Amino acid sequence: GAGVSQSPRYKVAKRGQDVALRCDPISGHVSLFWYQQALGQGPEFLTYFQNEAQLDKSGLPSDRFFAERPEGSVSTLKIQRTQQEDSAVYLCASSLVSALRGETQYFGPGTRLLVL
Amino acid sequence: GNSVTQMEGPVTLSEEAFLTINCTYTATGYPSLFWYVQYPGEGLQLLLKATKADDKGSNKGFEATYRKETTSFHLEKGSVQVSDSAVYFCALNGGSNYKLTFGKGTLLTVNP
Repeated sequence: GAGVSQSPRYKVAKRGQDVALRCDPISGHVSLFWYQQALGQGPEFLTYFQNEAQLDKSGLPSDRFFAERPEGSVSTLKIQRTQQEDSAVYLCASSLVSALRGETQYFGPGTRLLVL
Repeated sequence: GNSVTQMEGPVTLSEEAFLTINCTYTATGYPSLFWYVQYPGEGLQLLLKATKADDKGSNKGFEATYRKETTSFHLEKGSVQVSDSAVYFCALNGGSNYKLTFGKGTLLTVNP
């Protein structure tokens, strides 16, 4: 079946602009995660949804970052007033059941954001 | 908190050489351990995982054994191919903490 998809794949924004990044998880997957991957680094956790409930947003770097999943499927990560330090690849991942210790997370291809 | 330390790259090998990428971790509780691979231009893919001590994960000729006594999960392959060229990430997910914690990644280049 289809994997996790993300759009756009690339986004160039001027500093101060707002951006919205979309994630379509695998159909039926309960859990959805957002990660941020800086150049040359491993992904770092941003936020977690179980269905439509955002259960953890402890990784969001500032109040300019906001994520939602209103119907428990598609999710949007919004960054307001973008700054150059927001430049990174934003990864979305989903897993079948409520997050468990050994549950496999399936990743999308990512959105590469460049803030000029 | 949880952390993962993996061998820094880049690693360059000739085809059919033996590969080891070291990974050690620090975690509260009893984590599950993962290796993810990122091929050029593609997203992260699960390569293998192990959920308890002494478990061996294996896939596509790669293996890693969960060693609780040394807090390690080293990735090995007996004979690498050019198509194995990618970035490899070690990660953990422990206890009630469902987030994946990743290492920095190791770039592997295999030359023909």
